[in-house]
Amino acid sequence: QSALTQPASVSGSPGQSITISCTGTSSDVGGYNYVSWYQQHPGKAPKLLIYDVSNRPSGVSSRFSGSKSGNTASLTISGLQAEDEADYYCNSYTTSSTRYVFGTGTKVTVL
Amino acid sequence: EVQLVESGGGLVQPGGSLRLSCAASGFTFSNSWMSWVRQAPGKGLEWVACIKQDETAKYYLDSVKGRFTISRDNAKNSLYLQMSSLRADDTAVYFCARGAGWWDYWGQGTLVTVSS
Repeated sequence: QSALTQPASVSGSPGQSITISCTGTSSDVGGYNYVSWYQQHPGKAPKLLIYDVSNRPSGVSSRFSGSKSGNTASLTISGLQAEDEADYYCNSYTTSSTRYVFGTGTKVTVL
Repeated sequence: EVQLVESGGGLVQPGGSLRLSCAASGFTFSNSWMSWVRQAPGKGLEWVACIKQDETAKYYLDSVKGRFTISRDNAKNSLYLQMSSLRADDTAVYFCARGAGWWDYWGQGTLVTVSS
């Protein structure tokens, strides 16, 4: 099972919106609504941002939103802030023997 | 406050063994699936294993099957990962996390280095 495909980097100016894609197959992203997203600052543990494609846990800013179309899931960050500069990972359930697969990760830079 | 605290990491030679522990507090441990997720230096996240509340279901990453064993002690609110036949590519920070499929609480991780 290969990792889900994410762009290596995405950048934006403060206040802008950016979208990070996460592309898989019908055996993972496309087949199930079990996509989650994580934010990770350097040297820190990941933080859950979105689960089950578009649900936001309590305490997570409404600036983060998730969606899915076909085999591609997306995370949108609106009103980009300096503190959003971090690595972002998607994850999906998969029917392969691996069961759960992460994306390759995207580094977000706030210009 | 939910806390997950990993321990047991360190330097081990190729082919060696190591047991990681994760002490949980602040939530009902016995009601939660638990997982281990790792991150090699400078690399992305990789799910390793998960275990059901009553240990009746355990799942593993293909590359660790037969070498790693996940277990838990609900009386001690603790999660474990017994690792054997360790290889250089097992070198990573190992995170303990609550859940399976999505993980809402994470520990700070413990570093495992496999090297001669």
